[in-house]
Amino acid sequence: GENVEQHPSTLSVQEGDSAVIKCTYSDSASNYFPWYKQELGKRPQLIIDIRSNVGEKKDQRIAVTLNKTAKHFSLHITETQPEDSAVYFCAAHKNWMYSGGGADGLTFGKGTHLIIQP
Amino acid sequence: EAQVTQNPRYLITVTGKKLTVTCSQNMNHEYMSWYRQDPGLGLRQIYYSMNVEVTDKGDVPEGYKVSRKEKRNFPLILESPSPNQTSLYFCASSLRVSNQPQHFGDGTRLSIL
Repeated sequence: GENVEQHPSTLSVQEGDSAVIKCTYSDSASNYFPWYKQELGKRPQLIIDIRSNVGEKKDQRIAVTLNKTAKHFSLHITETQPEDSAVYFCAAHKNWMYSGGGADGLTFGKGTHLIIQP
Repeated sequence: EAQVTQNPRYLITVTGKKLTVTCSQNMNHEYMSWYRQDPGLGLRQIYYSMNVEVTDKGDVPEGYKVSRKEKRNFPLILESPSPNQTSLYFCASSLRVSNQPQHFGDGTRLSIL
């Protein structure tokens, strides 16, 4: 099955600086990679996603890059603000049709606690 | 308003007392899924459903059951809850398949004593 590793587990940056969170995945058949933001006590919310036929996607201060050969993808947040403080999760889609069966769904990384220092 | 609604939001109960957590979505989504979230472990998939009467196990299905009799509802059933099922549970749905944006409910915090 799919395995997703996420680093770092905690990241502290100064307000205005950039933050980068990295994930690796194991199943080369995975084809969809979303990022979720979870504020304390709230539900995960999708902030950006990328498909395997695209190398980079950007939405204002947030960007995601994907390297299919190396099987890793990264979240980049520029000009960080206090409201960016949250736990961020990466995920990879398990394509059950091409992975010899098994569950169909998202495999999540363990999360990164992003702290924006004022 | 498009949403995924879970009930209850909080529940404290005892070992062995059957409980059901309901999940309902109003977006006509075909795919629904249950996850549990534990500190340091991220979200792990329990069960999923690709459409009415089609359900299958996720990564951590032991001790849980689900049903999908109607498109909008996907309840999670704990027949005989145990303390290791104390966790934060999320229901999620997406339009047709799992590799589309998933919308999460607000979560249900279960404590099994």
